[in-house]
Amino acid sequence: DAMVIQNPRYQVTQFGKPVTLSCSQTLNHNVMYWYQQKSSQAPKLLFHYYDKDFNNEADTPDNFQSRRPNTSFCFLDIRSPGLGDAAMYLCATSMGIGKQGAKLYEQFFGPGTRLTVL
Amino acid sequence: RKEVEQDPGPFNVPEGATVAFNCTYSNSASQSFFWYRQDCRKEPKLLMSVYSSGNEDGRFTAQLNRASQYISLLIRDSKLSDSATYLCVVNTLYGGATNKLIFGTGTLLAVQP
Repeated sequence: DAMVIQNPRYQVTQFGKPVTLSCSQTLNHNVMYWYQQKSSQAPKLLFHYYDKDFNNEADTPDNFQSRRPNTSFCFLDIRSPGLGDAAMYLCATSMGIGKQGAKLYEQFFGPGTRLTVL
Repeated sequence: RKEVEQDPGPFNVPEGATVAFNCTYSNSASQSFFWYRQDCRKEPKLLMSVYSSGNEDGRFTAQLNRASQYISLLIRDSKLSDSATYLCVVNTLYGGATNKLIFGTGTLLAVQP
């Protein structure tokens, strides 16, 4: 089945120790997103890739970086995790048509990676 | 004012009840609308898209009122398995070049036996 896969499902890291979360998709969608979701809050968009174009949200800390080496894979790098970065990290994909005035279709989410920072 | 607002609930209803959720959005340029369902500690899953004419999928009915900028979700004959958080999601065009999905904080539904 076509799907969005995230690894690992659970990640424990130490304060300040870099961590990388991965996402892969078999849907052949051209848009991939990373969200951060804390308990009882809405998913918060960190950034997204439209094809190879990286789009950072204005309030995403510099501590968060992303890479998309090909259509199928996208990585979230947290350079120096703090206690406040403990959260569920959700990867999502969608089809987007055109680069301006694009209409984004519904997003499909991976199961998430729950990050704990000690 | 939040871009997408929902009553956080919780809505506690008995099995078999009909329950309705409303959601308002602030940007009149918003183009697409969705309801997602999120179970505890799981990822959001698309429940249904919301079309201008309204749409129905089994026990679920979604409606859009562009003039008043609100979206609704009606669940009939509630089941225990409907217990979850329901997220209202709006697709909005920014600056003519960027689309963004904005999530509401969700409405918690608890169906009681």
